[in-house]
Amino acid sequence: GAVVSQHPSRVICKSGTSVKIECRSLDFQATTMFWYRQFPKKSLMLMATSNEGSKATYEQGVEKDKFLINHASLTLSTLTVTSAHPEDSSFYICSAPEGANYGYTFGSGTRLTVV
Amino acid sequence: TQLLEQSPQFLSIQEGENLTVYCNSSSVFSSLQWYRQEPGEGPVLLVTVVTGGEVKKLKRLTFQFGDARKDSSLHITAAQPGDTGLYLCAGVWNAGNMLTFGGGTRLMVKP
Repeated sequence: GAVVSQHPSRVICKSGTSVKIECRSLDFQATTMFWYRQFPKKSLMLMATSNEGSKATYEQGVEKDKFLINHASLTLSTLTVTSAHPEDSSFYICSAPEGANYGYTFGSGTRLTVV
Repeated sequence: TQLLEQSPQFLSIQEGENLTVYCNSSSVFSSLQWYRQEPGEGPVLLVTVVTGGEVKKLKRLTFQFGDARKDSSLHITAAQPGDTGLYLCAGVWNAGNMLTFGGGTRLMVKP
């Protein structure tokens, strides 16, 4: 089946630095990629939708300058957490749809810890 | 904004018991998915339901989509410790293929 490869799986960074998370679609083209954030023991919260070749659409309350999304190709979308702070520590997950009525393929997630 | 209410939020049962998880919305969804998530991993798709009244079975798991396509349920028969995890329902409406997640049900099955 379709696979979305997400890297890194775990990252620890210092406050003020930036972290880039990559999601690559394997064996299929992802014209759209969804980025989610998940707090411990909570459900997934949609942050933004990236579309290949155009600007990302951010959900209300998500800072676009804080969470930079780039979808430069049909197989790669990146999320960069800029000037990270401890409150940005979370589990970030990407997902790409496989079709109108099919499920969505999720990456394995990235555990970000900002110290 | 479409909302999905999922209940219960947490369920702790003994091995062998049955359970049902509910997912309700005021909106009509074009499709609804159920996922299971293990700690530190991304959600894994269990099933997609599309047609109102549809019932799908996956071994001991039975999924049902409401006739009006506004609600769904997941029933697990004879739960096993391996069923422990976070179960998420997620709906899609027509605009933009966006998934909306329910709040999740954390299931713990004790041996």
